[in-house]
Amino acid sequence: DAGVIQSPRHEVTEMGQEVTLRCKPISGHDYLFWYRQTMMRGLELLIYFNNNVPIDDSGMPEDRFSAKMPNASFSTLKIQPSEPRDSAVYFCASSLTILAGLDEQFFGPGTRLTVL
Amino acid sequence: TQLLEQSPQFLSIQEGENLTVYCNSSSVFSSLQWYRQEPGEGPVLLVTVVTGGEVKKLKRLTFQFGDARKDSSLHITAAQPGDTGLYLCAGARAGNNRKLIWGLGTSLAVNP
Repeated sequence: DAGVIQSPRHEVTEMGQEVTLRCKPISGHDYLFWYRQTMMRGLELLIYFNNNVPIDDSGMPEDRFSAKMPNASFSTLKIQPSEPRDSAVYFCASSLTILAGLDEQFFGPGTRLTVL
Repeated sequence: TQLLEQSPQFLSIQEGENLTVYCNSSSVFSSLQWYRQEPGEGPVLLVTVVTGGEVKKLKRLTFQFGDARKDSSLHITAAQPGDTGLYLCAGARAGNNRKLIWGLGTSLAVNP
């Protein structure tokens, strides 16, 4: 398997523009997670899905952020409008249910977002 | 407030030295995981510990889960440059095991 695939790897945009990040999870995995990583705050969970259904979006910072998972092989994280404080590395991860608390999360390579 | 405190934040050592990094909390976790992250990549799972007092060994790496399941440590023996990276601990709490609580990490540099 190719692992979790994210695109783009790097995105530079100007404040106010819409940004869409994409993720293809590992085939067969039933959980998908979106994270944001910064030096100051570390790795923060934004939202996660189970079988394409959003389960917990309490980490989404504000209404400017939205995430969708239209099918088992694709998810998007959209920021509209983007702001400089959104600059971070965004990771997508997927996992396969084995036993609660023992699941291994497989991370993609991340998208480095810079908002000018 | 960070629920999982990792220390030290940064560590720079010479090849061959031993080291221990810590992951502490005032909360109880049903399980705890350690991940390693290399520059430009996502974290990769090293180990999961679930039982208080549990010790797991992975070659030169030894992981321990505290008896009260509130803390954990990672000990590396004879560190090598390939051990360089960001070590992250992540805890799962009873009742919401998919939502991991992450520490900020320990950034380790092993110099040849």
